[in-house]
Amino acid sequence: LAKTTQPISMDSYEGQEVNITCSHNNIATNDYITWYQQFPSQGPRFIIQGYKTKVTNEVASLFIPADRKSSTLSLPRVSLSDTAVYYCLVGFVGDDKIIFGKGTRLHILP
Amino acid sequence: NAGVMQNPRHLVRRRGQEARLRCSPMKGHSHVYWYRQLPEEGLKFMVYLQKENIIDESGMPKERFSAEFPKEGPSILRIQQVVRGDSAAYFCASSPKSGQGGEQFFGPGTRLTVL
Repeated sequence: LAKTTQPISMDSYEGQEVNITCSHNNIATNDYITWYQQFPSQGPRFIIQGYKTKVTNEVASLFIPADRKSSTLSLPRVSLSDTAVYYCLVGFVGDDKIIFGKGTRLHILP
Repeated sequence: NAGVMQNPRHLVRRRGQEARLRCSPMKGHSHVYWYRQLPEEGLKFMVYLQKENIIDESGMPKERFSAEFPKEGPSILRIQQVVRGDSAAYFCASSPKSGQGGEQFFGPGTRLTVL
């Protein structure tokens, strides 16, 4: 399973766009990139998943360059409730277990 | 459609006692996963089960830990003779089929404290 590297923590302000970048230099051809969000005292929640280029849903956008060695989760106009830990995961669609790193602790300030 | 349910939400045990953690997957989901999370850490995979079968237990400690997912009823993670190092949050996740490409649905977790 490809290892991921992401910033340990980030601060931002309400209303701003937040971009969290994840490095995955040894991503395999069959690997997808998935992001989870975890609030304090809760289980992780799936946010978005992509393979290449750009994916957008009602919560976030995921940008993946052509070489797929990195990806960027973009959260538009964050609010205080977006304060959470965000995990970048890389794995084959057929994988059954998820390998979590330490994630990025995003702190939104008023 | 209720989400993944775990109980108890908080469990306190003394060293040497047994801890039983229960997980009811989402309706229609036949695949259950258990993870452990230490403070300030990411989740660590423990075991993957389908009904009446353990598929992958590569993350489970060899001793004192066991898991089951019977034909009827919730999945159970059992920790015998607990030690202080077992204190952690234990999360259960479920999916409707294997190979969901990483999309699993997580419960709220059970926080185990060993005194």
